[in-house]
Amino acid sequence: AQRVTQPEKLLSVFKGAPVELKCNYSYSGSPELFWYVQYSRQRLQLLLRHISRESIKGFTADLNKGETSFHLKKPFAQEEDSAMYYCALSGRNFNKFYFGSGTKLNVKP
Amino acid sequence: DTGVSQNPRHKITKRGQNVTFRCDPISEHNRLYWYRQTLGQGPEFLTYFQNEAQLEKSRLLSDRFSAERPKGSFSTLEIQRTEQGDSAMYLCASSSPGPANEKLFFGSGTQLSVL
Repeated sequence: AQRVTQPEKLLSVFKGAPVELKCNYSYSGSPELFWYVQYSRQRLQLLLRHISRESIKGFTADLNKGETSFHLKKPFAQEEDSAMYYCALSGRNFNKFYFGSGTKLNVKP
Repeated sequence: DTGVSQNPRHKITKRGQNVTFRCDPISEHNRLYWYRQTLGQGPEFLTYFQNEAQLEKSRLLSDRFSAERPKGSFSTLEIQRTEQGDSAMYLCASSSPGPANEKLFFGSGTQLSVL
């Protein structure tokens, strides 16, 4: 069965500290992995995707197929990073996306 | 605003009534998705259209739910005989054809409250 698990509901860190938001998945096939973010009073939007291997706003995510994980990392958190983060996966046809339950990141001053 | 537009933003209805939501995707986007989100959960897939064809439908979607995209542009989601368990945020997303078709653009959602 397809599943995305984000074990932490809430993650609080101080500004300048490293942050890691965990994501584990199960999928019968080769998934495409994404991170979506929702800032306060804004729409859900794409942060980054595994396909492009990019770094957005200092965030990176590495796909570990052995551990079936796609953790999101940033070396130095900023207050403006405070938001709700959702890990998501899809098959190669992008007909259906599965989302995790989300992690609320709170960056304290 | 040229983003994905959803109407209404809020809908309050009584149990047993029918409701219909509308989604206008970004104009050149041929892919359209409906999701449902309840408090504390991530978006849950409901259905997917490519142009006017409904290609995927969640098994969670009961017969009371129906979605259409008649001309491959806007889409409607109808819930018949609403139940209190239908209370949720209903999200629409669209994506473009071509190499960036994996990037979803979400609307602001329609918040449904069933009393």
